[in-house]
Amino acid sequence: ETGVTQSPTHLIKTRGQQVTLRCSSQSGHNTVSWYQQALGQGPQFIFQYYREEENGRGNFPPRFSGLQFPNYSSELNVNALELDDSALYLCASSLVLGTHYNEQFFGPGTRLTVL
Amino acid sequence: AQTVTQSQPEMSVQEAETVTLSCTYDTSESDYYLFWYKQPPSRQMILVIRQEAYKQQNATENRFSVNFQKAAKSFSLKISDSQLGDAAMYFCALGAGNMLTFGGGTRLMVKP
Repeated sequence: ETGVTQSPTHLIKTRGQQVTLRCSSQSGHNTVSWYQQALGQGPQFIFQYYREEENGRGNFPPRFSGLQFPNYSSELNVNALELDDSALYLCASSLVLGTHYNEQFFGPGTRLTVL
Repeated sequence: AQTVTQSQPEMSVQEAETVTLSCTYDTSESDYYLFWYKQPPSRQMILVIRQEAYKQQNATENRFSVNFQKAAKSFSLKISDSQLGDAAMYFCALGAGNMLTFGGGTRLMVKP
């Protein structure tokens, strides 16, 4: 069984640029959630994708967008990067079968630095 | 909306001793789960222990156990026989609906 993988591991961008982060979900999972973890803080929920559609969103502006593909992998796109976007971005996959919470399994994260 | 609060930014324990990390939460959901995650410097978020809110019995996983007080909305983690490898950031988290809400974390240091 393959776990959750993310790419790239590290990324450096400049303010105003755009970035795409990628996540491959664990085998058998159909849902991907994205979290932003600023240095020294707990992760914050960005959004979740289920069956290729956004299924819930946290308090993040529209310049944070995502995609989910038929193989359940996912991308997180951030436009017009700001210095405060510097953080660890965590992807988590789960198997959603109903409306209640389903355990999420985390990838190793992508460290984004915005200069 | 859910909130999770960890009031101890840092904790220290002597190797082989016991330490308790505190967590309080608030939610209007009736169906939720509570978790403790460990995040070492490698950044990988590792699940330590989980508790279903509908279960009264406290969860236990080897040296890790929780004290779940539903009425008080409290969920503490006890680590027994602390080991050097337990040193890490520990996050309390609440899972409800389609998302996890995390606390701010507690840095645990283990002294040899």
